Amino acid sequence: GQSLEQPSEVTAVEGAIVQINCTYQTSGFYGLSWYQQHDGGAPTFLSYNALDGLEETGRFSSFLSRSDSYGYLLLQELQMKDSASYFCAVFTGGFKTIFGAGTRLFVKA
Amino acid sequence: GAVVSQHPSWVICKSGTSVKIECRSLDFQATTMFWYRQFPKQSLMLMATSNEGSKATYEQGVEKDKFLINHASLTLSTLTVTSAHPEDSSFYICSASVEDGTGNEKLFFGSGTQLSVL
Repeated sequence: GQSLEQPSEVTAVEGAIVQINCTYQTSGFYGLSWYQQHDGGAPTFLSYNALDGLEETGRFSSFLSRSDSYGYLLLQELQMKDSASYFCAVFTGGFKTIFGAGTRLFVKA
Repeated sequence: GAVVSQHPSWVICKSGTSVKIECRSLDFQATTMFWYRQFPKQSLMLMATSNEGSKATYEQGVEKDKFLINHASLTLSTLTVTSAHPEDSSFYICSASVEDGTGNEKLFFGSGTQLSVL
């Protein structure tokens, strides 16, 4: 079967750094994406890694290791508005993207 | 970035009625769109892949006669929930896939439709 594993919840304080891990097992792999979703809203695209390594976009960075079937999203200088659910997703090809169950991030003052 | 518009944002209907949800790509052409269902605090469950000009591809366990998908143009896909029942109450979201020219795939999502069936 195909699966993506990520922690269900993470709690951190404002200004801190938090890392959300994602391990995957899929029949195909073209890239790993991360999406942010606030309660009641739609997911928004954060990053996409097709190759091994770290991609940095402002306060957010995403890492991929294809040999380990592993990636993570790193959020720096946490702000209250970062409280949301974060989904990792694998693009397996054939127009198909599989989502993890999501990690709820709680940022405390 | 690409904009996907979804309408309505919420709808309340009586059991047994049908509800149509529209998903439009506003500034690009989307030959393929996706429909998801999401229960509170859970992940996105892909229901079907909507292909312009052809039949939708449904995921296992999704009733194609209940969830009718039409993708009549390159900018519009519709999902019709037929004979809705309370168990169909959920958050429905559409998305379109966009490649950025370097092989990177991004999904742009509509704002979602909260369906409540009484």
